Amino acid sequence: GEDVEQSLFLSVREGDSSVINCTYTDSSSTYLYWYKQEPGAGLQLLTYIFSNMDMKQDQRLTVLLNKKDKHLSLRIADTQTGDSAIYFCAETLSGGSYIPTFGRGTSLIVHP
Amino acid sequence: GAGVSQSPSNKVTEKGKDVELRCDPISGHTALYWYRQSLGQGLEFLIYFQGNSAPDKSGLPSDRFSAERTGGSVSTLTIQRTQQEDSAVYLCASSEPSGGARETQYFGPGTRLLVL
Repeated sequence: GEDVEQSLFLSVREGDSSVINCTYTDSSSTYLYWYKQEPGAGLQLLTYIFSNMDMKQDQRLTVLLNKKDKHLSLRIADTQTGDSAIYFCAETLSGGSYIPTFGRGTSLIVHP
Repeated sequence: GAGVSQSPSNKVTEKGKDVELRCDPISGHTALYWYRQSLGQGLEFLIYFQGNSAPDKSGLPSDRFSAERTGGSVSTLTIQRTQQEDSAVYLCASSEPSGGARETQYFGPGTRLLVL
């Protein structure tokens, strides 16, 4: 079966880097996603990575994928207070439907 | 359209009443999803519509939940005889298949349902 797990909370100081981790159990993942949810809002897609890639970088965001360990991470460089939000990891499976499986989300708290 | 919209943004109802939640997807998007987000939980898939195909209802938690999509656009999620455990944020998303890549889901702001 599929399962996506994340730690629930992460607290960092403004200006530091944040690393949010995610593990998944199904090795047939095709795409892995990171979504951001600000208070009172829906989910916003930040980035995604295809399962045959190891890394993807987009401005302050770096996604690292370790397929062997089924581990995905999102690094946010120079974290700002506006980055405070809940970050969801999600995966879709090859040969499956377009319905992603989401983790429970990691609450990122950025303090001065 | 400008984005996915949902109404109402907040709904308070009494246990046992029926509620209807509405989702207006982005114009031209053929796929529409409903999810439920309970406090401290991830997103729970409810139902998926794709074009004229039969919807995937595999995530609906009970027969009190139903959804329809009229004219391939607007969708309504109906919860009959609401229970307190139905209290949650109900999120709608839409997407447009994009060739070889999995399509990006665009989420609405959600409807916050509170059942007293």
